[in-house]
Amino acid sequence: DAGITQSPRHKVTETGTPVTLRCHQTENHRYMYWYRQDPGHGLRLIHYSYGVKDTDKGEVSDGYSVSRSKTEDFLLTLESATSSQTSVYFCAIARTSGGQGGELFFGEGSRLTVL
Amino acid sequence: QQQVKQSPQSLIVQKGGIPIINCAYENTAFDYFPWYQQFPGKGPALLIAIRPDVSEKKEGRFTISFNKSAKQFSLHIMDSQPGDSATYFCAASGGSNYKLTFGKGTLLTVNP
Repeated sequence: DAGITQSPRHKVTETGTPVTLRCHQTENHRYMYWYRQDPGHGLRLIHYSYGVKDTDKGEVSDGYSVSRSKTEDFLLTLESATSSQTSVYFCAIARTSGGQGGELFFGEGSRLTVL
Repeated sequence: QQQVKQSPQSLIVQKGGIPIINCAYENTAFDYFPWYQQFPGKGPALLIAIRPDVSEKKEGRFTISFNKSAKQFSLHIMDSQPGDSATYFCAASGGSNYKLTFGKGTLLTVNP
Protein backbone atom coordinates (compact mmCIF):
# COMPACT_ATOMS: atom_id res chain seq x y z
CA ASP A 1 0.00 0.00 0.00
CA ALA A 2 1.62 3.24 -1.14
CA GLY A 3 -0.83 5.47 0.71
CA ILE A 4 -2.51 6.75 -2.46
CA THR A 5 -6.18 7.62 -2.53
CA GLN A 6 -7.99 8.62 -5.71
CA SER A 7 -11.36 10.31 -5.81
CA PRO A 8 -13.90 9.92 -7.14
CA ARG A 9 -13.46 6.24 -8.02
CA HIS A 10 -16.29 6.38 -10.54
CA LYS A 11 -17.83 9.31 -12.35
CA VAL A 12 -20.26 9.72 -15.21
CA THR A 13 -20.49 13.14 -16.77
CA GLU A 14 -21.70 14.84 -19.92
CA THR A 15 -19.71 16.25 -22.79
CA GLY A 16 -18.60 19.81 -22.17
CA THR A 17 -18.68 19.70 -18.38
CA PRO A 18 -15.58 20.26 -16.25
CA VAL A 19 -14.23 17.35 -14.23
CA THR A 20 -11.58 17.24 -11.52
CA LEU A 21 -9.95 14.07 -10.27
CA ARG A 22 -8.02 14.12 -7.04
CA CYS A 23 -4.99 12.14 -5.97
CA HIS A 24 -3.99 12.24 -2.33
CA GLN A 25 -0.83 10.68 -0.90
CA THR A 26 0.19 10.23 2.71
CA GLU A 27 3.94 9.56 2.32
CA ASN A 28 5.22 13.01 1.29
CA HIS A 29 6.70 11.91 -2.06
CA ARG A 30 8.00 14.59 -4.38
CA TYR A 31 7.04 12.98 -7.69
CA MET A 32 3.43 12.33 -8.68
CA TYR A 33 1.93 11.27 -12.02
CA TRP A 34 -1.36 10.98 -13.84
CA TYR A 35 -1.76 8.18 -16.40
CA ARG A 36 -4.74 7.08 -18.44
CA GLN A 37 -5.40 3.48 -19.40
CA ASP A 38 -7.29 2.50 -22.52
CA PRO A 39 -7.69 -0.89 -24.18
CA GLY A 40 -4.92 -1.49 -26.68
CA HIS A 41 -2.88 1.48 -25.48
CA GLY A 42 -1.52 0.43 -22.13
CA LEU A 43 -0.86 3.29 -19.74
CA ARG A 44 0.02 6.70 -21.12
CA LEU A 45 1.38 9.63 -19.15
CA ILE A 46 -0.80 12.74 -19.06
CA HIS A 47 1.04 15.07 -16.69
CA TYR A 48 3.45 14.74 -13.83
CA SER A 49 4.70 16.83 -10.93
CA TYR A 50 8.15 17.09 -9.42
CA GLY A 51 7.23 19.34 -6.53
CA VAL A 52 4.70 21.84 -5.27
CA LYS A 53 3.65 24.02 -8.20
CA ASP A 54 6.13 22.20 -10.47
CA THR A 55 4.43 20.26 -13.24
CA ASP A 56 5.14 19.16 -16.78
CA LYS A 57 3.36 17.55 -19.70
CA GLY A 58 3.35 13.91 -20.67
CA GLU A 59 2.62 12.33 -24.02
CA VAL A 60 -1.18 12.82 -23.99
CA SER A 61 -1.64 16.16 -22.21
CA ASP A 62 -4.02 17.90 -24.65
CA GLY A 63 -7.34 18.69 -22.96
CA TYR A 64 -5.96 18.21 -19.45
CA SER A 65 -4.51 20.50 -16.83
CA VAL A 66 -3.04 19.76 -13.42
CA SER A 67 -2.31 21.55 -10.20
CA ARG A 68 -0.29 20.80 -7.12
CA SER A 69 -0.68 23.39 -4.39
CA LYS A 70 0.56 21.09 -1.63
CA THR A 71 2.74 18.01 -1.53
CA GLU A 72 0.00 15.54 -0.75
CA ASP A 73 -2.51 16.49 -3.46
CA PHE A 74 -2.27 16.33 -7.25
CA LEU A 75 -5.36 17.36 -9.17
CA LEU A 76 -6.21 16.48 -12.77
CA THR A 77 -8.76 18.71 -14.50
CA LEU A 78 -10.64 18.21 -17.72
CA GLU A 79 -11.81 21.73 -18.53
CA SER A 80 -14.46 20.55 -20.99
CA ALA A 81 -14.82 16.78 -21.06
CA THR A 82 -15.10 14.95 -24.37
CA SER A 83 -16.08 11.36 -25.12
CA SER A 84 -12.47 10.59 -26.07
CA GLN A 85 -11.55 11.23 -22.45
CA THR A 86 -13.62 8.30 -21.28
CA SER A 87 -10.95 6.20 -19.62
CA VAL A 88 -9.55 4.86 -16.40
CA TYR A 89 -7.21 7.35 -14.77
CA PHE A 90 -4.41 6.26 -12.48
CA CYS A 91 -2.36 8.36 -10.14
CA ALA A 92 1.12 7.22 -9.17
CA ILE A 93 3.91 8.27 -6.85
CA ALA A 94 7.62 7.57 -7.18
CA ARG A 95 9.54 6.20 -4.23
CA THR A 96 13.05 7.51 -4.71
CA SER A 97 14.71 6.58 -1.44
CA GLY A 98 17.04 3.68 -0.71
CA GLY A 99 19.10 4.07 -3.88
CA GLN A 100 16.66 2.03 -5.96
CA GLY A 101 15.65 4.84 -8.22
CA GLY A 102 12.10 5.74 -9.00
CA GLU A 103 9.77 2.86 -8.28
CA LEU A 104 6.27 3.93 -9.26
CA PHE A 105 3.30 2.85 -7.19
CA PHE A 106 -0.23 3.29 -8.45
CA GLY A 107 -3.58 4.10 -6.93
CA GLU A 108 -6.73 2.09 -7.53
CA GLY A 109 -7.89 4.22 -10.43
CA SER A 110 -10.77 6.55 -11.28
CA ARG A 111 -13.15 5.37 -13.97
CA LEU A 112 -14.55 8.30 -15.94
CA THR A 113 -17.34 8.01 -18.48
CA VAL A 114 -18.17 11.00 -20.66
CA LEU A 115 -21.56 10.73 -22.36
CA GLN B 1 6.47 6.35 -32.03
CA GLN B 2 6.05 3.46 -29.67
CA GLN B 3 9.10 3.36 -27.50
CA VAL B 4 8.35 0.08 -25.73
CA LYS B 5 6.92 -2.77 -27.79
CA GLN B 6 5.39 -5.71 -25.92
CA SER B 7 4.38 -9.12 -27.21
CA PRO B 8 2.28 -11.17 -27.29
CA GLN B 9 -0.99 -9.31 -26.70
CA SER B 10 -2.47 -12.38 -25.07
CA LEU B 11 -1.18 -15.71 -23.85
CA ILE B 12 -2.84 -18.89 -22.61
CA VAL B 13 -0.91 -21.56 -20.73
CA GLN B 14 -1.70 -24.57 -18.60
CA LYS B 15 -0.98 -24.63 -14.89
CA GLY B 16 2.69 -25.36 -14.35
CA GLY B 17 3.70 -23.91 -17.71
CA ILE B 18 6.24 -21.13 -18.19
CA PRO B 19 4.73 -18.12 -19.94
CA ILE B 20 7.23 -15.72 -21.47
CA ILE B 21 6.42 -12.10 -22.28
CA ASN B 22 8.81 -10.05 -24.36
CA CYS B 23 9.54 -6.35 -24.62
CA ALA B 24 11.80 -4.29 -26.84
CA TYR B 25 12.78 -0.69 -26.40
CA GLU B 26 14.31 1.96 -28.61
CA ASN B 27 15.57 4.67 -26.30
CA THR B 28 19.14 3.88 -25.20
CA ALA B 29 18.75 6.36 -22.33
CA PHE B 30 16.40 3.96 -20.54
CA ASP B 31 18.07 2.50 -17.46
CA TYR B 32 15.27 1.01 -15.40
CA PHE B 33 12.93 -1.74 -16.58
CA PRO B 34 10.03 -2.80 -14.33
CA TRP B 35 7.19 -5.22 -14.85
CA TYR B 36 3.71 -4.58 -13.49
CA GLN B 37 0.87 -6.99 -12.80
CA GLN B 38 -2.71 -5.79 -12.96
CA PHE B 39 -5.88 -7.57 -11.91
CA PRO B 40 -9.30 -6.41 -13.16
CA GLY B 41 -10.51 -3.31 -11.37
CA LYS B 42 -7.18 -2.72 -9.65
CA GLY B 43 -4.19 -0.49 -10.23
CA PRO B 44 -0.95 -1.87 -11.69
CA ALA B 45 1.29 -3.38 -9.02
CA LEU B 46 5.08 -3.44 -9.27
CA LEU B 47 6.18 -7.05 -9.70
CA ILE B 48 9.90 -7.03 -10.41
CA ALA B 49 12.42 -4.65 -11.97
CA ILE B 50 15.91 -4.74 -13.43
CA ARG B 51 18.68 -2.32 -14.32
CA PRO B 52 21.10 -2.78 -17.27
CA ASP B 53 24.07 -3.74 -15.11
CA VAL B 54 22.71 -7.29 -14.71
CA SER B 55 21.38 -9.76 -17.27
CA GLU B 56 18.94 -11.60 -15.05
CA LYS B 57 16.97 -11.08 -11.87
CA LYS B 58 14.80 -13.56 -10.00
CA GLU B 59 12.18 -12.93 -7.37
CA GLY B 60 10.28 -16.05 -6.40
CA ARG B 61 8.71 -17.56 -9.51
CA PHE B 62 9.29 -14.41 -11.59
CA THR B 63 12.46 -13.84 -13.62
CA ILE B 64 13.51 -10.93 -15.81
CA SER B 65 16.04 -11.60 -18.55
CA PHE B 66 17.76 -8.54 -20.01
CA ASN B 67 19.72 -8.22 -23.25
CA LYS B 68 21.25 -4.77 -23.45
CA SER B 69 22.80 -5.14 -26.90
CA ALA B 70 19.50 -6.27 -28.40
CA LYS B 71 17.51 -3.75 -26.34
CA GLN B 72 15.15 -6.46 -25.22
CA PHE B 73 13.92 -7.81 -21.91
CA SER B 74 11.49 -10.52 -20.97
CA LEU B 75 9.45 -11.85 -18.07
CA HIS B 76 9.32 -15.57 -17.30
CA ILE B 77 6.85 -17.01 -14.81
CA MET B 78 7.93 -20.39 -13.47
CA ASP B 79 5.35 -22.99 -12.43
CA SER B 80 2.48 -20.67 -13.39
CA GLN B 81 -0.74 -20.82 -11.37
CA PRO B 82 -4.33 -19.80 -12.15
CA GLY B 83 -3.85 -16.95 -9.67
CA ASP B 84 -1.20 -15.51 -12.01
CA SER B 85 -3.92 -14.80 -14.58
CA ALA B 86 -3.72 -11.03 -15.04
CA THR B 87 -2.52 -8.36 -17.43
CA TYR B 88 1.23 -7.78 -17.40
CA PHE B 89 2.91 -4.57 -18.49
CA CYS B 90 6.56 -3.94 -19.17
CA ALA B 91 7.86 -0.41 -18.79
CA ALA B 92 11.04 1.62 -19.04
CA SER B 93 12.40 4.86 -17.70
CA GLY B 94 15.60 6.87 -17.82
CA GLY B 95 16.98 10.19 -16.71
CA SER B 96 15.27 12.47 -14.23
CA ASN B 97 11.66 12.54 -13.13
CA TYR B 98 11.28 8.72 -13.21
CA LYS B 99 8.61 8.83 -15.89
CA LEU B 100 7.63 5.36 -17.05
CA THR B 101 6.88 4.47 -20.68
CA PHE B 102 4.69 1.38 -20.84
CA GLY B 103 4.18 -1.42 -23.30
CA LYS B 104 0.60 -2.12 -24.33
CA GLY B 105 0.18 -5.12 -22.05
CA THR B 106 -0.21 -8.88 -22.23
CA LEU B 107 -3.33 -10.64 -20.98
CA LEU B 108 -2.18 -13.91 -19.42
CA THR B 109 -4.59 -16.74 -18.73
CA VAL B 110 -3.40 -19.76 -16.78
CA ASN B 111 -5.82 -22.65 -17.08
CA PRO B 112 -6.18 -25.12 -14.19
